[in-house]
Amino acid sequence: EADIYQTPRYLVIGTGKKITLECSQTMGHDKMYWYQQDPGMELHLIHYSYGVNSTEKGDLSSESTVSRIRTEHFPLTLESARPSHTSQYLCASMKWGSKLAEAFFGQGTRLTVV
Amino acid sequence: SQQGEEDPQALSIQEGENATMNCSYKTSINNLQWYRQNSGRGLVHLILIRSNEREKHSGRLRVTLDTSKKSSSLLITASRAADTASYFCATDSGGGSEKLVFGKGMKLTVNP
Repeated sequence: EADIYQTPRYLVIGTGKKITLECSQTMGHDKMYWYQQDPGMELHLIHYSYGVNSTEKGDLSSESTVSRIRTEHFPLTLESARPSHTSQYLCASMKWGSKLAEAFFGQGTRLTVV
Repeated sequence: SQQGEEDPQALSIQEGENATMNCSYKTSINNLQWYRQNSGRGLVHLILIRSNEREKHSGRLRVTLDTSKKSSSLLITASRAADTASYFCATDSGGGSEKLVFGKGMKLTVNP
């Protein structure tokens, strides 16, 4: 069982609200990722981090922002939610420095903006 | 654009049959991984094959990698209803970028 947790699992929120999706892992992994998964299943990398104070944008442009103040914590924030942000958000972590490492995923947050 | 592309997009088979999924990618890689996702959940790692390997087995799973064609295949033998899930290939995209990029995924349905 992976020690990576996402909260909340489900969130329904009104347009214009600020929200933070939480992701925490207890494996001491340096690399962490946020993916957005559309209904057609495709995963889009929106943010990643190599370690504390490191954040990079992924391949899909996103209005969200992330921070990495602690190794175990990689929250994603939307300053003003819109219906177009409705999606499944998946967080993952991976051990740094190994080309044989696997990624561990949280259970995901399903966000609905109404 | 996504690094990996699974083919076919959806597959429906009977229990006991074999299921083969293909993945193509675009750039050089360090390794290629396959993941499984049950409906609405996070992804779970299945198997990893290094760029200098051609074939790897794990239980009922068999993965092949052809770096000259930039393609991989995942074979699930003697499928079970519990294998019903979505399957994704992922590559590390090489070049030292450390990004982990997934394909579009393939939905497998195993009918009892």
